[in-house]
Amino acid sequence: QQQVKQSPQSLIVQKGGISIINCAYENTAFDYFPWYQQFPGKGPALLIAIRPDVSEKKEGRFTISFNKSAKQFSLHIMDSQPGDSATYFCAASWVNTGNQFYFGTGTSLTVIP
Amino acid sequence: NAGVTQTPKFQVLKTGQSMTLQCAQDMNHNSMYWYRQDPGMGLRLIYYSASEGTTDKGEVPNGYNVSRLNKREFSLRLESAAPSQTSVYFCASSEGRGQGVGNQPQHFGDGTRLSIL
Repeated sequence: QQQVKQSPQSLIVQKGGISIINCAYENTAFDYFPWYQQFPGKGPALLIAIRPDVSEKKEGRFTISFNKSAKQFSLHIMDSQPGDSATYFCAASWVNTGNQFYFGTGTSLTVIP
Repeated sequence: NAGVTQTPKFQVLKTGQSMTLQCAQDMNHNSMYWYRQDPGMGLRLIYYSASEGTTDKGEVPNGYNVSRLNKREFSLRLESAAPSQTSVYFCASSEGRGQGVGNQPQHFGDGTRLSIL
């Protein structure tokens, strides 16, 4: 059973456009929602994270929007650049499970120059 | 600034062979994790060690064993490799100390690409 559902599987965006990746979860006990960025041949790297006490967090061109009632959260990449082309994973964590993270299935983003 | 180091980076095995994947972290983290990554499946947790001296099963533990050798090192062993274990394996670490202290970001190594023929 997939704890975190991620969409779309792949995304193509023009340079300068907005990339949006969505995730949904069922377990209301989750209380930490990170996003990871992975380049080919590398391990995932933490990009940005949010806790459910806020509805939005912004770091540079990257913004997480969080909707607790809908059990959804999304990553917005503003002014998308070719260097943003990577695979993005959302995840959810629950403090009472040994800091286990449950990952989405990933979104492959391609930004066209 | 090594972070999480995994060895080897690539390996090809024959069905039935055994091998151990090594992982070491230099961030003084308490918790360590082993994941496998397969196309369309995301990252799936195999085993984790919330703190030195403890290990627990994750989502897909069958066919694997782990050893938390010390605070720095966490190894993953395939006793009798099967083609279904062909995957990219990632080790990660975090400051989390298990129940009651979590929500710490995980830091990943660059993976071991394992092919089993």
